[in-house]
Amino acid sequence: QIQLVQSGPELKKPGESVKISCKASGYTFTDYAMHWVKQAPGKGLKWMGWINTYTGKPTYADDFKGRFVFSLEASASTANLQISNLKNEDTATYFCARWGSPLFDYWGQGVMVTVSS
Amino acid sequence: EIVLTQSPTTMAASPGEKVTITCRASSSVSYMHWFQQKSGTSPKPWIYDTSKLASGVPDRFSGSGSGTSYSLTISSMEAEDAATYYCLQRSSYPFTFGSGTKLEIK
Repeated sequence: QIQLVQSGPELKKPGESVKISCKASGYTFTDYAMHWVKQAPGKGLKWMGWINTYTGKPTYADDFKGRFVFSLEASASTANLQISNLKNEDTATYFCARWGSPLFDYWGQGVMVTVSS
Repeated sequence: EIVLTQSPTTMAASPGEKVTITCRASSSVSYMHWFQQKSGTSPKPWIYDTSKLASGVPDRFSGSGSGTSYSLTISSMEAEDAATYYCLQRSSYPFTFGSGTKLEIK
């Protein structure tokens, strides 16, 4: 069955970096784009951007340009999100979601990233 | 950026009651998509391309709309429908979500 399994929770200090992963199984990884969505505690959903899993080309929403990097380990069917120079406002749950046109049909369980001194 | 405004922000409905959640876009969009999220879980695709139900969604749900005004309707509220519902537009970058409607059971 199709699954997106994300890495575990992270506790980081301001200024540090974090890399979270999203491992896909049950389908051909490079056939479907992967999107990333942020949800701050008690808040709504915010689209961060997506990565073409065939070419590796990322597209970022304006609010996520600069410190955020989408990458792939295609041989491991894994999409990664790296956040550098962490700030308190990066505290959130980060979801990966498969674009299975015409809908986001599978989601990871989410990774809680806590930034605190 | 297209801003999506959902209303109401929160509401409570009795079992059997009809429920309508609206999503208004700041510019015209081609389709609207809806997600259901329960506390502590990932969002689930619920309605896509304005009116198509995702797999497993009960047929008491429906979606409609066009242009800048869209809605999600539950014909007869059930306890399991209590959740937060988000609309999403992907007609233009950046994709944007509505702020969510928290639906509770009375």
